[in-house]
Amino acid sequence: EVQLVESGGGLVQPGRSMKLSCAASGFTFNNYDMAWVCQAPKKGLEWVATISYDGSSTYYRDSVKGRFTISRDNAKSTLYLQMDSLRSEDTATYYCARRANWDWYFDFWGPGTMVTVSS
Amino acid sequence: DIQMTQSPASLSASLGETVTIECRASEDIYNGLAWYQQKPGKSPQLLIYNANSLHTGVPSRFSGSGSGTQYSLKINSLQSEDVASYFCQQYYNYPLTFGSGTKLEIK
Repeated sequence: EVQLVESGGGLVQPGRSMKLSCAASGFTFNNYDMAWVCQAPKKGLEWVATISYDGSSTYYRDSVKGRFTISRDNAKSTLYLQMDSLRSEDTATYYCARRANWDWYFDFWGPGTMVTVSS
Repeated sequence: DIQMTQSPASLSASLGETVTIECRASEDIYNGLAWYQQKPGKSPQLLIYNANSLHTGVPSRFSGSGSGTQYSLKINSLQSEDVASYFCQQYYNYPLTFGSGTKLEIK
């Protein structure tokens, strides 16, 4: 059974950093591209970043470029999101999602981890 | 960026009814469209991809259609477990973008 479990969320002050993790199981992690998608409270979904199966390619939405870094450790079947210079508008639930085989839609999502940026 | 305009924002329907949710892209996305269902307090789940292909395990009362810039999700024979928010997503081009969502309730 495919499982994605995020961790590392919580309350953080503006300007500080936080690192999210997503532990994957039930599939061959290093065969799949992965992504982070966020959802602000009571709002819609917003793509954050994607990474290729081997970590060689990454893409980011403009609002997080230079502040967030997506990475992966295939030996540990774990996806990461390093978030620096956090802003109040980054407050959201962050979901780890698996890219479907052939295109950039997402066939499995984790339950999410909440990040609150506030002083 | 490709903007996805989803309508309606909310919808109330009776059990057994058929409902339709629309998504309009700001440019042609060549069927690069997915639909997701998100139940309260849960993460999104894939329903439809490539505009009209049903994801494994999704009930056949869900269907997708459309082309170019106009797409729709239809739910036949509405059931109580369909209470959720529904989102479209285009994956024709980066940045990947989602519709604002449709909240479906039962009358």
